[in-house]
Amino acid sequence: AQSVTQLGSHVSVSEGALVLLRCNYSSSVPPYLFWYVQYPNQGLQLLLKYTTGATLVKGINGFEAEFKKSETSFHLTKPSAHMSDAAEYFCAVSDLDSGTYKYIFGTGTRLKVLA
Amino acid sequence: KAGVTQTPRYLIKTRGQQVTLSCSPISGHRSVSWYQQTPGQGLQFLFEYFSETQRNKGNFPGRFSGRQFSNSRSEMNVSTLELGDSALYLCASSLRGDHSPLHFGNGTRLTVT
Repeated sequence: AQSVTQLGSHVSVSEGALVLLRCNYSSSVPPYLFWYVQYPNQGLQLLLKYTTGATLVKGINGFEAEFKKSETSFHLTKPSAHMSDAAEYFCAVSDLDSGTYKYIFGTGTRLKVLA
Repeated sequence: KAGVTQTPRYLIKTRGQQVTLSCSPISGHRSVSWYQQTPGQGLQFLFEYFSETQRNKGNFPGRFSGRQFSNSRSEMNVSTLELGDSALYLCASSLRGDHSPLHFGNGTRLTVT
């Protein structure tokens, strides 16, 4: 069965520093990959998605992620962190299982941005 | 286009009671999924409905049930509430229920006392 691993349940960065949130999936066949963000007292919001084609995917709020098949990774980055980026981030895959697509979410990484 | 609407936003119930949560998906979306979110367990998949049929189900006891109506609106019901059912319940809709992105509501915060 497909699984998603997010390394680091909590990540702290200084404002203006690089943000790197790690995500690895387990599949020999590239699935559909997503990053979602959740702000306090809200639902999840789609940041970006990888389906096919270009391996570098750009999303909202300056985030991007690179699909690396050889490493089965889909890490999320942002060159310069902003205070408003403080939130919880979820990596997810959608994979075909028994004829239907199923979403599997990682356990989330809470990003803290230090002033 | 209006987003996914969940009602109510907050609920306080007593152990043993039952509760019904409602979700209105984005217009045109045919798939509705439900998730339970807790600090300890993260996001746990409950079930997914597509065109009024339950297509997928997570590993939850039979006390958790749901349904979808012909207008794609969905409800989930939890009977005989337990303290451990306290959680944020999230509903998400998607256009086709395949690999199309999920659109989440803001959730219903259920507290069981």
